[in-house]
Amino acid sequence: DGGITQSPKYLFRKEGQNVTLSCEQNLNHDAMYWYRQDPGQGLRLIYYSQIVNDFQKGDIAEGYSVSREKKESFPLTVTSAQKNPTAFYLCASKSAQLNTEAFFGQGTRLTVV
Amino acid sequence: GQQLNQSPQSMFIQEGEDVSMNCTSSSIFNTWLWYKQDPGEGPVLLIALYKAGELTSNGRLTAQFGITRKDSFLNISASIPSDVGIYFCAGRRVSNFGNEKLTFGTGTRLTIIP
Repeated sequence: DGGITQSPKYLFRKEGQNVTLSCEQNLNHDAMYWYRQDPGQGLRLIYYSQIVNDFQKGDIAEGYSVSREKKESFPLTVTSAQKNPTAFYLCASKSAQLNTEAFFGQGTRLTVV
Repeated sequence: GQQLNQSPQSMFIQEGEDVSMNCTSSSIFNTWLWYKQDPGEGPVLLIALYKAGELTSNGRLTAQFGITRKDSFLNISASIPSDVGIYFCAGRRVSNFGNEKLTFGTGTRLTIIP
């Protein structure tokens, strides 16, 4: 089945450690996105990539880094510079076709203790 | 980053009731989207609107793209237990690939009272 997969579902890390969240899609989508969701808030864009080896900062990129070495994969690293990393992280991908919308993964809940 | 004004923040209704929620913005969008999110899951697209004034239905759901392009509403008729969840609106300014950035509302949490 085609889809977008985030792993792991739950992640626990100690403060000060970097952690990488995985996002893989087999939908042949060119664009991929990372969003952060906090309780009672909508989704906020962290980074996005429209093509392999290229990515742009979203609204809240500070303390995060990404790479896009393969079309299928868009991993997000939450660095120790992110002041409040505990959140629900959502990855999405989208076709280049006009008037098509993004598919979301099931999310990774990161808890930093 | 901007977030859309979505209301109400929460709704408590009885099964069978109709539901209405809306989003407003100070900026113009050329696409409005409505998503539903179940707890601990990613959002799922319900309805997409691409033209000002457009009224679109998906089963018991109906959504409209405001004529001013600054607002949208979602109605759910005859609610059922599986409607429980958080509903998000999202607006997009440019529909062409390469300028895809969605702005999300803060969500409406729908609860059905037994």
